[in-house]
Amino acid sequence: AQTVTQSQPEMSVQEAETVTLSCTYDTSENNYYLFWYKQPPSRQMILVIRQEAYKQQNATENRFSVNFQKAAKSFSLKISDSQLGDTAMYFCAFVSYGGATNKLIFGTGTLLAVQP
Amino acid sequence: GAGVSQSPSNKVTEKGKDVELRCDPISGHTALYWYRQSLGQGLEFLIYFQGNSAPDKSGLPSDRFSAERTGGSVSTLTIQRTQQEDSAVYLCASSWTVRNEKLFFGSGTQLSVL
Repeated sequence: AQTVTQSQPEMSVQEAETVTLSCTYDTSENNYYLFWYKQPPSRQMILVIRQEAYKQQNATENRFSVNFQKAAKSFSLKISDSQLGDTAMYFCAFVSYGGATNKLIFGTGTLLAVQP
Repeated sequence: GAGVSQSPSNKVTEKGKDVELRCDPISGHTALYWYRQSLGQGLEFLIYFQGNSAPDKSGLPSDRFSAERTGGSVSTLTIQRTQQEDSAVYLCASSWTVRNEKLFFGSGTQLSVL
C-alpha cells in the first residue's frame, strides 16, 4: 500500500526565519509525483510545489524549495523568509502513474504558525 | 467558471437524513475527485471520475455513499441516512485529465450531522 507520513502535527516559526516541514512516503512504484499543498482557513487547497520522481534536481518556487531524497523516500519542504501569510495547514501528497488509479494520497498535514 | 465551485458551503443536518453535495468543476476538466477531510485528519480519497464514469470508487466508506457525474461536468455526492461520523469537510477537485497531476480544489462543504 502507498502511504504518506507527516510526523509533525504542528510547527511554529518566527517571521522572516526558515522552517522545514518533513514528509516521508512508501511506494514500490518508480514513476510518481510528489506535492506540497497549502490549506489556509478558507479551506481551499493551493498547490505550493511539485516534484517529478525521475528528476534529481530539487524543485524550487520562489521562497519554497524541497529536499527530495528518493532512496530514503523523503520529501521535505523548506520555506525561507517566512511570512505571516504562510500560516496554514500544509499537506504532502503523492500520486503514482504506474498503478491502477491516479488518485492523490495525502499525509495528515502539518499546521504551520508564523509568529510576528 | 473561474474555479471549482462547491455548494452548499455549509450544511447542517439531522442524523438519518439524506444530503446532496454538489461540485461544479472547471470547464473542460475531464477528471473530478471527491475527498473527505475529518477534523485533525488528512484528506481521505472517496471517488474519482473520468468523464461520467467512475473507475475508482474504492474510497467510498459504505453503501450509504454514492456519487454521479452527468454531462462530464457537475458531480453530486449523496450521503443517505447520515450518521454523526459523516461530519467532515467534503472537498472536490478537478483536472484536465487523470494524468494531469495539477488538481484544482474547491473550498469544500462543511457537513455537520447532529
